[in-house]
Amino acid sequence: GQQLNQSPQSMFIQEGEDVSMNCTSSSIFNTWLWYKQDPGEGPVLLIALYKAGELTSNGRLTAQFGITRKDSFLNISASIPSDVGIYFCAGPAYNTDKLIFGTGTRLQVFP
Amino acid sequence: DAMVIQNPRYQVTQFGKPVTLSCSQTLNHNVMYWYQQKSSQAPKLLFHYYDKDFNNEADTPDNFQSRRPNTSFCFLDIRSPGLGDAAMYLCATSRSSVQETQYFGPGTRLLVL
Repeated sequence: GQQLNQSPQSMFIQEGEDVSMNCTSSSIFNTWLWYKQDPGEGPVLLIALYKAGELTSNGRLTAQFGITRKDSFLNISASIPSDVGIYFCAGPAYNTDKLIFGTGTRLQVFP
Repeated sequence: DAMVIQNPRYQVTQFGKPVTLSCSQTLNHNVMYWYQQKSSQAPKLLFHYYDKDFNNEADTPDNFQSRRPNTSFCFLDIRSPGLGDAAMYLCATSRSSVQETQYFGPGTRLLVL
């Protein structure tokens, strides 16, 4: 079945640094979603991408839908302590009623 | 301006004692989902409603049931909770199909004693 692999699995960075994480699949996706989950909370949608090559920003966050439709990346610029959490990519599986989630990237930001 | 609301946020139950978790939404979305999430893992879909049509995942245990009495509300019933059912339970909605963006509630953390 379709799977989404995220890397890195975890990141430990200093406040102010830029962050880059990505999501890859062996299958094509028509939509890429990036969610952030704080401890004890539900995932919050950060960015939604609907077209191959699309580059979208949301404040300090930038995400791109890969040209091949098999990957996406999320960048965070000038990280701050509240960026701490788990970041999930997700996309609807082809021809099924299911949202496939990536394995997650855990981000820790040190002051 | 909460859009997907889950109650309670924390639920403690005893082994084998039925428990119901609730979800409501103000988005008027057709599709509602229930996910189970265990520590450090991605959410796992249990089932979803497309309007009134119930769609169960093949690997969802019979112990888990759901009700959707109207567009706004959806309930997760765990008939006989076991220790392995302790998890975060997430409700989500999407406007009209799974192919659309899903919006999650804050979750209910279930503890089974």
